[in-house]
Amino acid sequence: QKEVEQNSGPLSVPEGAIASLNCTYSDRGSQSFFWYRQYSGKSPELIMSIYSNGDKEDGRFTAQLNKASQYVSLLIRDSQPSDSATYLCAVNDPGTYKYIFGTGTRLKVLA
Amino acid sequence: DAGVIQSPRHEVTEMGQEVTLRCKPISGHNSLFWYRQTMMRGLELLIYFNNNVPIDDSGMPEDRFSAKMPNASFSTLKIQPSEPRDSAVYFCASTSRGQETQYFGPGTRLLVL
Repeated sequence: QKEVEQNSGPLSVPEGAIASLNCTYSDRGSQSFFWYRQYSGKSPELIMSIYSNGDKEDGRFTAQLNKASQYVSLLIRDSQPSDSATYLCAVNDPGTYKYIFGTGTRLKVLA
Repeated sequence: DAGVIQSPRHEVTEMGQEVTLRCKPISGHNSLFWYRQTMMRGLELLIYFNNNVPIDDSGMPEDRFSAKMPNASFSTLKIQPSEPRDSAVYFCASTSRGQETQYFGPGTRLLVL
């Protein structure tokens, strides 16, 4: 059974702090990794994708990938209350068009 | 671009009734995915199509669920008969050849009483 694991949270951080969200996956063959943000009552929205080991930065967001450890993370710098949402990690299922989603980490940024 | 369109946005029905959910993918996208999301189980893939052909329906919970994609711009997910445990948010997503990013529709919130 291929799995993507996330801590369900909630993860509470003060406004302006760095929020660190983590995800592990079971299939070593996975090559594509995604972070989606989902506000309450809304649909998932892609915020970052990463395919190579290392860091990828986009504005206040940095995705980090370590394939050897089967670990992917998302850092949110200068967290804002508007970042409060559930963050879903998704990993491709090799050889298919499918993603495997984690159950999400709920982030609360406290003003 | 209009994005992925789903209808209805909300559906309340009684146990035993037939429910049909509809999805229009983004124009030019050739892969379409139906997901179900609940608090207990998170986001689960039910079925996906590539070029209108069902590729993997292993996530369809049972024979009460069926999905079709008669053309590149329309798909349906049908539940018959519906049961209270089918209550969930159903999302449709699409992507195009060569891309891996899936774009989600707004979802249909289904409540079966």
